[in-house]
Amino acid sequence: AQSVSQHNHHVILSEAASLELGCNYSYGGTVNLFWYVQYPGQHLQLLLKYFSGDPLVKGIKGFEAEFIKSKFSFNLRKPSVQWSDTAEYFCAVLSYNTDKLIFGTGTRLQVFP
Amino acid sequence: EADIYQTPRYLVIGTGKKITLECSQTMGHDKMYWYQQDPGMELHLIHYSYGVNSTEKGDLSSESTVSRIRTEHFPLTLESARPSHTSQYLCASSEETSTDTQYFGPGTRLTVL
Repeated sequence: AQSVSQHNHHVILSEAASLELGCNYSYGGTVNLFWYVQYPGQHLQLLLKYFSGDPLVKGIKGFEAEFIKSKFSFNLRKPSVQWSDTAEYFCAVLSYNTDKLIFGTGTRLQVFP
Repeated sequence: EADIYQTPRYLVIGTGKKITLECSQTMGHDKMYWYQQDPGMELHLIHYSYGVNSTEKGDLSSESTVSRIRTEHFPLTLESARPSHTSQYLCASSEETSTDTQYFGPGTRLTVL
């Protein structure tokens, strides 16, 4: 069965620290990859997505993610986090075969001033 | 900002009651989805629809039912609520394109006493 693993369940950082959140998936076929973010009290929003082309994708608010096909990974990065980045981050994979979006368990990020 | 709405946002109800969670989108999307999310867990797909009069069960077994009589409306019904139904229910929609980005509503947090 397809699955998505987010290894960091809870990350605590100070402002200006660099961020990398891991995401690995278990599917060998063609996939679309997503990172969603849920700020406190708000609904899930799309942060960035990869469909094809350049494996380094840039999203909103200075976030980027790199698709490494050989490692089945799609890690999220930000060079310098801000307090306003405090949120829950979900990695998700859509396989062309099943046409279903599979989510990871999420990573809770807390950024302290 | 996606135009997808869910009501109620919060619902506390007694065991045995019938409830309907509403979901509407104004984007004209053909595809709509219901997910269930428990705290600290991934989102699980419980129902989806590819258009009017189309409904399918998702990966997670659910006692709820859905209907799709109009493109913009995808309500979820529990005939007899139980404490095990306590969870957050998220509605989403997407275009019928290869990119398939899903847009989420704010969710309904259901508590069954």
